[in-house]
Amino acid sequence: DTGVSQDPRHKITKRGQNVTFRCDPISEHNRLYWYRQTLGQGPEFLTYFQNEAQLEKSRLLSDRFSAERPKGSFSTLEIQRTEQGDSAMYLCASSSSEGGPSYGYTFGSGTRLTVV
Amino acid sequence: GQSLEQPSEVTAVEGAIVQINCTYQTSGFYGLSWYQQHDGGAPTFLSYNGLDGLEETGRFSSFLSRSDSYGYLLLQELQMKDSASYFCAVRGDYGQNFVFGPGTRLSVLP
Repeated sequence: DTGVSQDPRHKITKRGQNVTFRCDPISEHNRLYWYRQTLGQGPEFLTYFQNEAQLEKSRLLSDRFSAERPKGSFSTLEIQRTEQGDSAMYLCASSSSEGGPSYGYTFGSGTRLTVV
Repeated sequence: GQSLEQPSEVTAVEGAIVQINCTYQTSGFYGLSWYQQHDGGAPTFLSYNGLDGLEETGRFSSFLSRSDSYGYLLLQELQMKDSASYFCAVRGDYGQNFVFGPGTRLSVLP
């Protein structure tokens, strides 16, 4: 297993455009998380899936943001009508409900979004 | 909600020992985790404390005192490669997600 993969690594888009990011978690992991991180800050929770069900959403996730995890495998995060404030690193992480918190999350390397 | 406080920066020399503190406020406590993140890299899980006391993993140790809402990460025999940001994290209101602190940037000098 190659860990958590995210695509693309970098995305530059014009304000008002829609963007979509993809995350492929570790195959044995049934939980998947999206976080957003701005420079010099810790990751901020956006949303969480267990298998294909989206169980939790942060109030940070405005109606311009939508996430899916069809079939409980890869996940996509879409941002519609991007704004400059959306510029950040978008991190995906996965974990197993079997392992418990002592195993932590495995993060991907992230997608850096720049809105110009 | 949850809030966490960490020192923003710590500097130490190679071979030294450094302690990074974390204080937290949370309505319900389910454990304290630590992550390391090198510039441009992904956060990497280091340790988890669910109960009071010290957990040791090689050169890294993590301590928790639930009565004081306080924990720390102890790094021994510092190496240049330990230069990174270190984040403490507690379980969030949503149950399965973790809320991360602002991070402590550690610089190890030769």
